[in-house]
Amino acid sequence: QKEVEQDPGPLSVPEGAIVSLNCTYSNSAFQYFMWYRQYSRKGPELLMYTYSSGNKEDGRFTAQVDKSSKYISLFIRDSQPSDSATYLCAMTPYNTDKLIFGTGTRLQVFP
Amino acid sequence: AAGVIQSPRHLIKEKRETATLKCYPIPRHDTVYWYQQGPGQDPQFLISFYEKMQSDKGSIPDRFSAQQFSDYHSELNMSSLELGDSALYFCASSLVRGGSYEQYFGPGTRLTVT
Repeated sequence: QKEVEQDPGPLSVPEGAIVSLNCTYSNSAFQYFMWYRQYSRKGPELLMYTYSSGNKEDGRFTAQVDKSSKYISLFIRDSQPSDSATYLCAMTPYNTDKLIFGTGTRLQVFP
Repeated sequence: AAGVIQSPRHLIKEKRETATLKCYPIPRHDTVYWYQQGPGQDPQFLISFYEKMQSDKGSIPDRFSAQQFSDYHSELNMSSLELGDSALYFCASSLVRGGSYEQYFGPGTRLTVT
């Protein structure tokens, strides 16, 4: 079983919809949580970074962390066709550098 | 804003050959990370360097080695290449000294071993 579980999708939504992407994890030592967006054959682009339970908002994106449930979410409001990509959650334990990624959720936003 | 630069962007090698991948971190970033992403897979951590010293090591084969130079750029050296080494190789950088663990990724090097 992977340390970080993420539904691979694909998730298909109409333009303007609210998108919810989720990850669960098993290692309670994870302290830093990130969401990346990756277009095909491109490098992952950092969208959100947080290290505490609660919500963090940046434009159309909201990241939510619930450490007690070992569950993180990314919400995308007013989704656009340009949001179509693979979204990867990633996290790192305290005192280590490496990011542990989820498998990624492929999102498609159709006009 | 300046981003992570990787070269070359594409590389084709034959089995048993060697390859060198280069990474130039975001200016003033002190930590470099290398990841390998196979087709349809998530990135897997290989190795990292903080202030030119190896700081963490993941599932990096013994055939691979890496280092970070005085100007903070890093090189990943891969020898005795195998077909299974074909993948996207990403470099990421962060400013750990500033208390930030956000990792910013480069565009990647696509390695094809034939």
